[in-house]
Amino acid sequence: GAVVSQHPSRVICKSGTSVKIECRSLDFQATTMFWYRQFPKQSLMLMATSNEGSKATYEQGVEKDKFLINHASLTLSTLTVTSAHPEDSSFYICSARRTGDQPQHFGDGTRLSIL
Amino acid sequence: QKEVEQNSGPLSVPEGAIASLNCTYSDRVSQSFFWYRQYSGKSPELIMSIYSNGDKEDGRFTAQLNKASQYVSLLIRDSQPSDSATYLCAVSGMDSSYKLIFGSGTRLLVRP
Repeated sequence: GAVVSQHPSRVICKSGTSVKIECRSLDFQATTMFWYRQFPKQSLMLMATSNEGSKATYEQGVEKDKFLINHASLTLSTLTVTSAHPEDSSFYICSARRTGDQPQHFGDGTRLSIL
Repeated sequence: QKEVEQNSGPLSVPEGAIASLNCTYSDRVSQSFFWYRQYSGKSPELIMSIYSNGDKEDGRFTAQLNKASQYVSLLIRDSQPSDSATYLCAVSGMDSSYKLIFGSGTRLLVRP
C-alpha cells in the first residue's frame, strides 16, 4: 500500500497563532505532494502543489504568504498557516503521489479550529 | 474550464443491490481516472484507478471508462451499509503537474 501520515489530526488555537501541519509519505518517495482544504459539505479545494526541492505552486486566490509550504525531502511536506484567523478554520488534507499519473494517496487530515 | 460532473445524490440502494455511480468530464485529453470514497469527517480513500477504455474489476468494485463519451462509472456489487459514503470522481490531464480535478461527489446510502 501507500501510506501517508498527517500530523496533527486536530488543532484548536487562538486567533493570531501560526500552525504547522506535517505530511509524510511513509512507504514511498513522493515527487509531488498536494495540499487541499475542505469546508463542511463542500468538495475538496486544491490549495497548492508542492514538488521536492522547489517552490510550491499555489492555486488562484490562495495567499502564498499566509499558507507557507515547504517540501524539503521526498517524504515530507509541511504547511504553515501563519497568523491564523477564525475564517481559516477548516479541514486541511495533504496527499502524496509517486510520479506522473500515479494515484494520489491522502493523509487523514487536520481539523483546524481558530477561536 | 476543466470540469468533472457527478450527481450529488443521495443515491439510495438496498443492502445486497448494485450501486451505480456515474461521472462525466469535459477535458478530452484527460488520461487518468480515479474513484475515491470519503466517509463523513474523514479524508478520501482511493478505491479504483483506471487508465484505458473498458472495465476494471477489484473485488466488489468495477470501474468503467469510455473516453469517446467522456464517461467513467463505478459499480459496487453486493452493496453493504458500510459502503455508505460520498464517492468522488477525479480526473487528471496531461499537464506537467497531473493535478486532479474532483467532482463534487455522489452520496451513497445503503439501506439495511
